[in-house]
Amino acid sequence: AQSVTQLGSHVSVSEGALVLLRCNYSSSVPPYLFWYVQYPNQGLQLLLKYTTGATLVKGINGFEAEFKKSETSFHLTKPSAHMSDAAEYFCAVSGANFGNEKLTFGTGTRLTIIP
Amino acid sequence: DAGVTQSPTHLIKTRGQQVTLRCSPKSGHDTVSWYQQALGQGPQFIFQYYEEEERQRGNFPDRFSGHQFPNYSSELNVNALLLGDSALYLCASSLSAGWNTEAFFGQGTRLTVV
Repeated sequence: AQSVTQLGSHVSVSEGALVLLRCNYSSSVPPYLFWYVQYPNQGLQLLLKYTTGATLVKGINGFEAEFKKSETSFHLTKPSAHMSDAAEYFCAVSGANFGNEKLTFGTGTRLTIIP
Repeated sequence: DAGVTQSPTHLIKTRGQQVTLRCSPKSGHDTVSWYQQALGQGPQFIFQYYEEEERQRGNFPDRFSGHQFPNYSSELNVNALLLGDSALYLCASSLSAGWNTEAFFGQGTRLTVV
């Protein structure tokens, strides 16, 4: 069984400040981990993913995340927030062979950017 | 490439009615998954279709059924609609071959049950 916990349903940061969105997972098998972004009235867009190899993964729009097995965490960061980053962010986990496995999502974190 | 397309974009139905949602996968993709996203929640996996068969299923009642056609497009059917079925329904497509593939999501169908 797999599950994801996103700490903080709402996060507000000032434009130019560090963005940190927290995600902890539980998985009975080696996990594949993902961050998706959802803009209003839109579907989900993949920001980045961890499957195997390097634990620090870089994604689109300047985001990155680090897989920490000992902490069962996969937190999302961005050094400098931009107004266009305002959106809903979802962390997700799947088993191996991602294309063929279901995604289990967290409840999401709404990111607000303060001008 | 049009990506994943879903129709209709919005739909209003009455309790007890039946509804069919449609999904065309991204070009070259052969696997389609459906998710339900209730307001303020993360998407929940409904089921996945591959080679015209249901390969995996989430914790949804039998009122939720699906179909995949030879051209890989898919339908989601919900019978005996309940108010609680109101949600954004997302379709995701992927390629079954290979272990490091990516699922692409459509923009969803917003279903309102009144």
